[in-house]
Amino acid sequence: DVKVTQSSRYLVKRTGEKVFLECVQDMDHENMFWYRQDPGLGLRLIYFSYDVKMKEKGDIPEGYSVSREKKERFSLILESASTNQTSMYLCASSSYGTGGHTDTQYFGPGTRLTVL
Amino acid sequence: RKEVEQDPGPFNVPEGATVAFNCTYSNSASQSFFWYRQDCRKEPKLLMSVYSSGNEDGRFTAQLNRASQYISLLIRDSKLSDSATYLCVVTRSGGSYIPTFGRGTSLIVHP
Repeated sequence: DVKVTQSSRYLVKRTGEKVFLECVQDMDHENMFWYRQDPGLGLRLIYFSYDVKMKEKGDIPEGYSVSREKKERFSLILESASTNQTSMYLCASSSYGTGGHTDTQYFGPGTRLTVL
Repeated sequence: RKEVEQDPGPFNVPEGATVAFNCTYSNSASQSFFWYRQDCRKEPKLLMSVYSSGNEDGRFTAQLNRASQYISLLIRDSKLSDSATYLCVVTRSGGSYIPTFGRGTSLIVHP
């Protein structure tokens, strides 16, 4: 069974703090993703990575950065947390799939981040 | 026009009913299509991939219409346990095949 784990289920931080969200997958997947999910807005892609040390911006990268030093680990960093970054953060991983297409994504349980 | 659009619902149906959802996408170069299911306070999980020829998995049937740029999901003989949010996912080609999620359609199956 594919397992994607996230470092925390719930996190409360203060405005201006630096926040690290960690994600680890155990299936040797090439692709890893960070999303945030907000009511009425659905899942929005923040960043993704298709290989170690590679990263690409998603639809809403502003205020975030990422790090992928090892294949199994993908970190999301909020350099200076703000209240509008209060959200559910979901990490996912996938293999390349056939023909280079993204294969099934497997999600972690999510981290509910509250920024006060 | 949003890249991937779904009717948010909720669709409120009795047990045993047949219900269909549609999802439209704007990028004609989209490559891969999926339906995911998300239970309340849980992470999304793959329900089924959607192929050009259509595919069926038990009570679930998915169809792709490239000409009209939509995918559909049909659920027959609805069960209480089918109550969830159904997310449409379209993967666009942008060098790295980026997945885009629709906002989801809520289904409530009642006794």
